[in-house]
Amino acid sequence: DGGITQSPKYLFRKEGQNVTLSCEQNLNHDAMYWYRQDPGQGLRLIYYSQIVNDFQKGDIAEGYSVSREKKESFPLTVTSAQKNPTAFYLCASKGQGNQPQHFGDGTRLSIL
Amino acid sequence: GESVGLHLPTLSVQEGDNSIINCAYSNSASDYFIWYKQESGKGPQFIIDIRSNMDKRQGQRVTVLLNKTVKHLSLQIAATQPGDSAVYFCASQGFQKLVFGTGTRLLVSP
Repeated sequence: DGGITQSPKYLFRKEGQNVTLSCEQNLNHDAMYWYRQDPGQGLRLIYYSQIVNDFQKGDIAEGYSVSREKKESFPLTVTSAQKNPTAFYLCASKGQGNQPQHFGDGTRLSIL
Repeated sequence: GESVGLHLPTLSVQEGDNSIINCAYSNSASDYFIWYKQESGKGPQFIIDIRSNMDKRQGQRVTVLLNKTVKHLSLQIAATQPGDSAVYFCASQGFQKLVFGTGTRLLVSP
C-alpha cells in the first residue's frame, strides 16, 4: 500500500541526547513536512522540504534539524537544544499543486 | 501572520443528527482549503477539500461550504455516527505551507 511510515511509534529521550525520528513515503511526493502537536492544540510546522537536498525552516525550527538526501525519506532530529521536546510528531507529504497533505501516524516523544 | 480558528473546541451531538463544524481563516489570498479528521493516537486523515473558485463541495455524508466574503469555512456531516467521533481540523493554503486551526472535538452519543 502507498503511504507514509513513521517510526518508532514511541520514543524516549534522555537529558542531553539527540534523537532521530524516521519518516518514509512511497507516494512519489516531492514535498515533505514535519509538524509538532501538543495536547489539545493544532499542528505547528517545524521544517519542510519541497525537493530533494533542499529544506526550509517552519514556524518552530529551533532545536530541530532535518535532512533530505532521498525523495522518499525526511528524518527529523530532536537535539538537546530543544528544551521541551515532549510532543506528538507528525510527518506529511504532498504531491504537486493544490493537493492535500497526507500524514503518517506519528511518533510520540517523551523525556525520561 | 496567517491564522485559522475554529469556533467551538467541542461539539456534542446525538447519533443520527447532522453536525456542523465551523472555521474562520485570515488570509484572503488562500485558494485551497482542507478538512482533516484525527482520531486519538493517529495522524490526521484527509476528509474533503475545496478550491476558492467553488463555494460548495460534497462527498460521502460530508459537505464543505466556503464563504470567501466573510472568510468562513464549514464542514457538515450528515447522519453523524459514533465512528465520526474525532477531532476535526480545517487548514488553509498559505505560501508553501498549510495553516491549521486548533481543532474541534466532535463527540457523538448513542
